[in-house]
Amino acid sequence: DIQMTQSPSSLSASVGDRVTITCRASQNIRIYLNWYQQKPGKAPELLIFAASNLHRGVPSRFSGSGSGTEFTLTISSLQPEDFAVYYCQQSYNTPPFTFGPGTKVVVK
Amino acid sequence: QVQLVQSGAEVKKPGASMKVSCKASGYPFTSYHMHWVRQAPGQGLEWMGIINPGGGRPTYARKFQGRITLTRDTSTSTMYMELSSLRSDDTAVYYCARDTNFNYPDYWGQGTRVTVSS
Repeated sequence: DIQMTQSPSSLSASVGDRVTITCRASQNIRIYLNWYQQKPGKAPELLIFAASNLHRGVPSRFSGSGSGTEFTLTISSLQPEDFAVYYCQQSYNTPPFTFGPGTKVVVK
Repeated sequence: QVQLVQSGAEVKKPGASMKVSCKASGYPFTSYHMHWVRQAPGQGLEWMGIINPGGGRPTYARKFQGRITLTRDTSTSTMYMELSSLRSDDTAVYYCARDTNFNYPDYWGQGTRVTVSS
């Protein structure tokens, strides 16, 4: 099975900051990497699919990049509503379609 | 609009079974696979399995093999996830989530909280 890791596990930031989260896969997953945002008590929401494609309705301050085994999610200017937990998920080839352990973005 | 409405919270005893339902609407039911994902309290997302509502055998995460059964009822556009031999560490919120046909989900149910406690 493909294992996913994320770093950092938690970060503190202020409104307006540029935030970068890294996700790594245990093997080459090409561009089959997706990002989700989850707020307390809510279901996850899709932000980015296939490494760099913004899901409809997602603000353009979110962007994704990478391929192979290393990927990044960037928030160009953090907004108050962006404090949440972010998960990567690989969708390469066959199941299981594992999630990363998550990165919590908290107020500095 | 796409909606996934899950059944309500449950409390179960260790060793019992649970069955969560997920009623889909707003799209052709048999055209999209469904993922099941769970989240233990304060923990991350854990992928459990996927089912093709159009037929075929579901695929389960190795961890749940032998305890999980995913089924569907096309007459009511409802998916089911059954987990047996429950333990306290099965306490979690269980989500159904519609696949995009590219192995990742876009729409999620509201979640069903299941507590396993003696």
